[in-house]
Amino acid sequence: SSELTQDPAVSVALGQTVRITCQGDSLRSYYASWYQQKPGQAPVLVIYGKNNRPSGIPDRFSGSSSGNTASLTITGAQAEDEADYYCNSRDSSGNHLIFGGGTKLTVL
Amino acid sequence: QVQLQESGPGLVKPSGTLSLTCAVSGGSISSSNWWSWVRQPPGKGLEWIGEIYHSGSTNYNPSLKSRVTISVDKSKNQFSLKLSSVTAADTAVYYCARGIVVVPAALNWFDPWGQGTLVTVSS
Repeated sequence: SSELTQDPAVSVALGQTVRITCQGDSLRSYYASWYQQKPGQAPVLVIYGKNNRPSGIPDRFSGSSSGNTASLTITGAQAEDEADYYCNSRDSSGNHLIFGGGTKLTVL
Repeated sequence: QVQLQESGPGLVKPSGTLSLTCAVSGGSISSSNWWSWVRQPPGKGLEWIGEIYHSGSTNYNPSLKSRVTISVDKSKNQFSLKLSSVTAADTAVYYCARGIVVVPAALNWFDPWGQGTLVTVSS
């Protein structure tokens, strides 16, 4: 399969927990990586692999995976987490990379 | 730490060829990484264009493969993108990014990214 599916928009109350999901057949074979993108800025890696955070990413960001679904969880969402989030992995062939359509997160 | 910087014309005429270069600093392009181009049309999501290894091996997005060429210049520590026969649909912010791949662990991620450069296709 060459598609990763994300919900277009999700909202969360300040300080609450939100899960952003990414579905695709290739996720049965490959881990997803997750990127945060704020308006006018380049994407920033927030989670890769099973549940790895790059240096500088707050520990309120975590990742998980089950079957064909990868999830990004923000525990205690902050106003600065309002952004677009994209998942990414290889496709089932392993030769191409694919992105999900992105999820716009609103922090209320 | 590795930093990437895109450069190239911001305006390309329809049917022309888009050409961009990504300069790599703080590290060697000959390291064990793949180097990718990703684009984002205004108001839309991310689209992977293709990747190259320092050996010259490439992988391209099937939807763009017939128009894309990615090359590497190890002497200048940079890699380049050429996209031919462009139309208005190719108007986008173009990013370069380092791709880290751990094959046995089925891991792949992009880090870092360049700041991006807007390319507009218009006459």
